[in-house]
Amino acid sequence: AQKVTQAQTEISVVEKEDVTLDCVYETRDTTYYLFWYKQPPSGELVFLIRRNSFDEQNEISGRYSWNFQKSTSSFNFTITASQVVDSAVYFCALRSSNTGKLIFGQGTTLQVKP
Amino acid sequence: DAGVIQSPRHEVTEMGQEVTLRCKPISGHDYLFWYRQTMMRGLELLIYFNNNVPIDDSGMPEDRFSAKMPNASFSTLKIQPSEPRDSAVYFCASKRGTSTDTQYFGPGTRLTVL
Repeated sequence: AQKVTQAQTEISVVEKEDVTLDCVYETRDTTYYLFWYKQPPSGELVFLIRRNSFDEQNEISGRYSWNFQKSTSSFNFTITASQVVDSAVYFCALRSSNTGKLIFGQGTTLQVKP
Repeated sequence: DAGVIQSPRHEVTEMGQEVTLRCKPISGHDYLFWYRQTMMRGLELLIYFNNNVPIDDSGMPEDRFSAKMPNASFSTLKIQPSEPRDSAVYFCASKRGTSTDTQYFGPGTRLTVL
């Protein structure tokens, strides 16, 4: 069975703080893909990043960085120097190479206060 | 480039009425997905199509729900008869069947059944 767990339901930080959103996944597949999506208050789902199971290199994009560790089945997301505009619900998702299905975690609501 | 287009953006209807949600995928994408988002169950995949053919409809909650994709640029999700528990945000997503494998989501349709 495949599963994604985002244990942090809500996080509140003050602007300019760094914040890490945790994601732990379960799968028996050897080839799979991991994703992060952002859902701002306006409601749309915005794709942030995709990683395949063979690529454990961490990635940085501006203030965003992702730490993929197969040994711990984790794909954590860090926002450096958070801003109010980062306030949103963030979803981690898993897709097996065998199916087209995305399995989403329950989401982490991030509130960045000015 | 136009993203995934969904209509209507908001729908309010009364219990027992038929509801039809519409989706236009990104041009050139050969996969189309319908999701439902609720507070209780999070994001759930309802059904997905590949080249207009339904591949997996195991997420469709019951016979009141049906989905069609008559051509590569249009899909509908129909609920008949609608019930208050169907109130949710319904997302459509599409992707190109290549190694990039990223689903892009539409803005969603917020359905309220009174």
